[in-house]
Amino acid sequence: DQQVKQNSPSLSVQEGRISILNCDYTNSMFDYFLWYKKYPAEGPTFLISISSIKDKNEDGRFTVFLNKSAKHLSLHIVPSQPGDSAVYFCAARGAQKLVFGQGTRLTINP
Amino acid sequence: DTAVSQTPKYLVTQMGNDKSIKCEQNLGHDTMYWYKQDSKKFLKIMFSYNNKELIINETVPNRFSPKSPDKAHLNLHINSLELGDSAVYFCASSSTTGSYEQYFGPGTRLTVT
Repeated sequence: DQQVKQNSPSLSVQEGRISILNCDYTNSMFDYFLWYKKYPAEGPTFLISISSIKDKNEDGRFTVFLNKSAKHLSLHIVPSQPGDSAVYFCAARGAQKLVFGQGTRLTINP
Repeated sequence: DTAVSQTPKYLVTQMGNDKSIKCEQNLGHDTMYWYKQDSKKFLKIMFSYNNKELIINETVPNRFSPKSPDKAHLNLHINSLELGDSAVYFCASSSTTGSYEQYFGPGTRLTVT
């Protein structure tokens, strides 16, 4: 039933290393894929997007990879910084709406 | 200045009561949304409005009724509250309908006892 899933509820990474967050989807009609970041007591904020016709999009320390054949996307953060500690939501757009995953809590350890 | 604001931030109430959550955005956006974050942490869209017109109405009990007095406001009224309504409700807005860049409010944590 859930069209977008993040199977890792949490991830712990050492500061300076690479963080890799994963997301799987089932609907091949999605046209954009997004990552949102959420701090406690705040709403999610848009981080980065990728069109379904691309396989990579980079913005500074953040890179999103899309593998359409596997219906999988990932977010790479390098190098990871303490301020990156947050919950990351994967989302996909289809039929004028966003479908979100359940989030992965990323903790960056000093 | 908060871009998308919601009131109240916390709401504790008893089953059977009626309550409202208010949302306001000062971004000049045309489209506003209500999302529910359930116990499994999925963020699910409930409604979207474009210029006060209902665009998306997901499978939501009709005890939930959105009201948009103008394009800067989208309120959510819930009748006859049930235990399963306990969740965090997020309001969001975007410049156009279906835009993937949405701006979220801080959320309202509703607890029904």
